[in-house]
Amino acid sequence: SQTIHQWPATLVQPVGSPLSLECTVEGTSNPNLYWYRQAAGRGLQLLFYSVGIGQISSEVPQNLSASRPQDRQFILSSKKLLLSDSGFYLCAWDLMAGRETQYFGPGTRLLVL
Amino acid sequence: QKEVEQNSGPLSVPEGAIASLNCTYSDRVSQSFFWYRQYSGKSPELIMSIYSNGDKEDGRFTAQLNKASQYVSLLIRDSQPSDSATYLCAVGGGSYIPTFGRGTSLIVHP
Repeated sequence: SQTIHQWPATLVQPVGSPLSLECTVEGTSNPNLYWYRQAAGRGLQLLFYSVGIGQISSEVPQNLSASRPQDRQFILSSKKLLLSDSGFYLCAWDLMAGRETQYFGPGTRLLVL
Repeated sequence: QKEVEQNSGPLSVPEGAIASLNCTYSDRVSQSFFWYRQYSGKSPELIMSIYSNGDKEDGRFTAQLNKASQYVSLLIRDSQPSDSATYLCAVGGGSYIPTFGRGTSLIVHP
């Protein structure tokens, strides 16, 4: 069966510090991978998606970036965090964008102080 | 711009009642429809998917789809306090990434 991991589970970082969140998927090949952010009381905001190694599409211009160095690994990064980067970061995967279920990881709760 | 609209709630129902959650969408070519449940502080988990007009039942949950009216709903029968959560509607189709609504908060009180 497929499993999706995210770490860390929680993170408290000062403004201006760097960020690296990691997501890995097990039990499937060539998944589409997604990064979402959910601010408190808000909906899911799609940040990045990837259909393959090295292929990244950005949905929202901001100080975040994403990389996919391996088929089942997706990394979200920032060089300098802003207060507005606080939120719940979710990684998700599917096999057929828009036609099959997306499966979400457990999420990383980020608080920028 | 593809839009998915949900009433933010909260929707409050007594235990044992039927909870009805609604979702409308703007893109007529949408083909795939999903309902997710999200408990506070947790990630969304799939409840049901539906692709054809009509009803689809799974236990206490029934999804209803009406493509002509661009409307999809989720009925929860015999609501339990453990059903208290935010319910997210997602709409997809073709090869585009599903669009999520902002969710409806459901409170089931004993």
